[in-house]
Formats: sequence, C-alpha cells, structure tokens
Amino acid sequence: ELKVEQNPLFLSMQEGKNYTIYCNYSTTSDRLYWYRQDPGKSLESLFVLLSNGAVKQEGRLMASLDTKARLSTLHITAAVHDLSATYFCAAERNTGGFKTIFGAGTRLFVKA
Amino acid sequence: DVKVTQSSRYLVKRTGEKVFLECVQDMDHENMFWYRQDPGLGLRLIYFSYDVKMKEKGDIPEGYSVSREKKERFSLILESASTNQTSMYLCASSDLNEQFFGPGTRLTVL
Repeated sequence: ELKVEQNPLFLSMQEGKNYTIYCNYSTTSDRLYWYRQDPGKSLESLFVLLSNGAVKQEGRLMASLDTKARLSTLHITAAVHDLSATYFCAAERNTGGFKTIFGAGTRLFVKA
Repeated sequence: DVKVTQSSRYLVKRTGEKVFLECVQDMDHENMFWYRQDPGLGLRLIYFSYDVKMKEKGDIPEGYSVSREKKERFSLILESASTNQTSMYLCASSDLNEQFFGPGTRLTVL
C-alpha cells in the first residue's frame, strides 16, 4: 500500500534563509507531485517529477526525486514572505486508474 | 487553461440529508477524483473514476457514493449526511501528467 510522509509538518523560517521539505513514499510510484495551497484556496500544481534524478526549478523553489530512496525534496532558497503557504507532495500509482496519495502537508510560514 | 468547477463553495446541511456535490471539467479528461481535506490529514481520496460510468473506491469511501454519467461531470453523493462528514471537498481531473483541482466545497453538517 502506498503511503506518503512529509516532514516537517510545520516550518517557520526567516526571510532569506534556505530550507528543505522532505517527502518519503513507501512503495514504487509512477510519478511525484508538489502542490501549493494558500489559505482558503484550492491546490496549485508546482512540479511533476517523472523519473529518477529529475530536478525542476521555478523561482526560489526546486524539487528533486530519488526513486531508489523513495524520496523527493522541495528546496526553498532565500525564502520570501510570499512563499508562506501549505505545500503538499503526492505520489501516484497506475492501478488501472491513476491513484494519487497525498502527504499531510507542510505548513510554511516565512517571517518578514 | 484547464478549468475544474464545483457547484458550491460553501454548503450547510442537516444530519440525515442527502447531499450532492457536483464537479465539472472542460478539458475532456478521462480521470476524475473526489478528495476530502481535513487539518493534519492532508487530502484523502474518496472515489475516482477513469471513464464514464466507471468508478473505483479510494481510501475512505464509506458514507459516500459517486456518479459519472458524462465524461465532464463527476458527482459525489452523501446518502445521509453525518457531522463527521463536515470537511472541505476537492474535486480534481487529470490528464496523463498532472491533476487539476477545483476551488473546493466547504461542507458543514449540523
């Protein structure tokens, strides 16, 4: 059974600092997603990672995937207040229909 | 742009009522999903559908049913709403690469 664990679940950091959110998943996954959710809003897709060693970057966020370790990371560089949000990772398996399992989410707060 | 719409942003119902949550997508996606989101639990999959009239149970299907009569529409049904079904409900549709989410329906069952 596919399970997804994120840590930390809550992160408070100063502007300008770097930090990494970790996402572990328990069994083979076809792809790994990162989403952002602002309070009261729906989920916004950030990255889709499809293969071992995949790295994608958008602005101050960079996501990577290590399928052997079953680990994805979301690295934040020089955080700014606008990055405050909840970040979810999700792993997917094709079980005759695509089934996506989400982590609990990391609530990020960047102090101005 | 992919658009996923949900029939209501906020809904208040009473215990025992039958509740319909509607979701429509405009990108001809085959796969559609219903999740509920609760604090500290992330998103949990209730049901998904990979084709018209096809449905699969997710992780927490108890107390829910779904209907997919047309490709663009996926409905979540609470046959007899209970207070523990108070939650945020998110619909999504997907192509082969990623899921696109609707704005969510915050359901309160009194």
